[in-house]
Amino acid sequence: DAKTTQPNSMESNEEEPVHLPCNHSTISGTDYIHWYRQLPSQGPEYVIHGLTSNVNNRMASLAIAEDRKSSTLILHRATLRDAAVYYCILRDRVNNDMRFGAGTRLTVKP
Amino acid sequence: DAGITQSPRHKVTETGTPVTLRCHQTENHRYMYWYRQDPGHGLRLIHYSYGVKDTDKGEVSDGYSVSRSKTEDFLLTLESATSSQTSVYFCAISPGDRGTDTQYFGPGTRLTVL
Repeated sequence: DAKTTQPNSMESNEEEPVHLPCNHSTISGTDYIHWYRQLPSQGPEYVIHGLTSNVNNRMASLAIAEDRKSSTLILHRATLRDAAVYYCILRDRVNNDMRFGAGTRLTVKP
Repeated sequence: DAGITQSPRHKVTETGTPVTLRCHQTENHRYMYWYRQDPGHGLRLIHYSYGVKDTDKGEVSDGYSVSRSKTEDFLLTLESATSSQTSVYFCAISPGDRGTDTQYFGPGTRLTVL
């Protein structure tokens, strides 16, 4: 299975942008890059996903490197509510197994 | 929010007793999943279902069984609970199994086996 590598933790100041990196050097051509986050004492929630092109939605932006071996989740203005563990996950075209790593714990300081 | 409920939300039981956790959805999604989450780990897939009476094993299926007799309900059973099964259990649902399909997670069940 394709694996991802993320920093264990990151800190940000409130209302500043946050860039969360993910390395996936063994990604295959059919793997989608998904990001989920898990707020304290809650189940994970979907953030964004992409294949090759950069993606934007109301929650975040996803920047994908040209060679697809890395990606960056961008929170444009971090709020205290964005403090969570962020998971970068690779999903094949047909794959029922979402392999969660340890993720990146984001701390947002007021 | 996706309509997913889990019951019970908390349970304490003793080693050797049977335990059943229930996941109920109101979204009519085809796929349902059970994950467990332990401290310092991400979620790990236990079993999943791709339709009524259609289930398959995940990464950590030993000691667990599942059943799905209705689209909306997916049950996870620990036939004889062990302390190593103390964990937080999450149910998830998804409309499909493609790489673009999103999984929606329930609130979790915290199980303690003494």
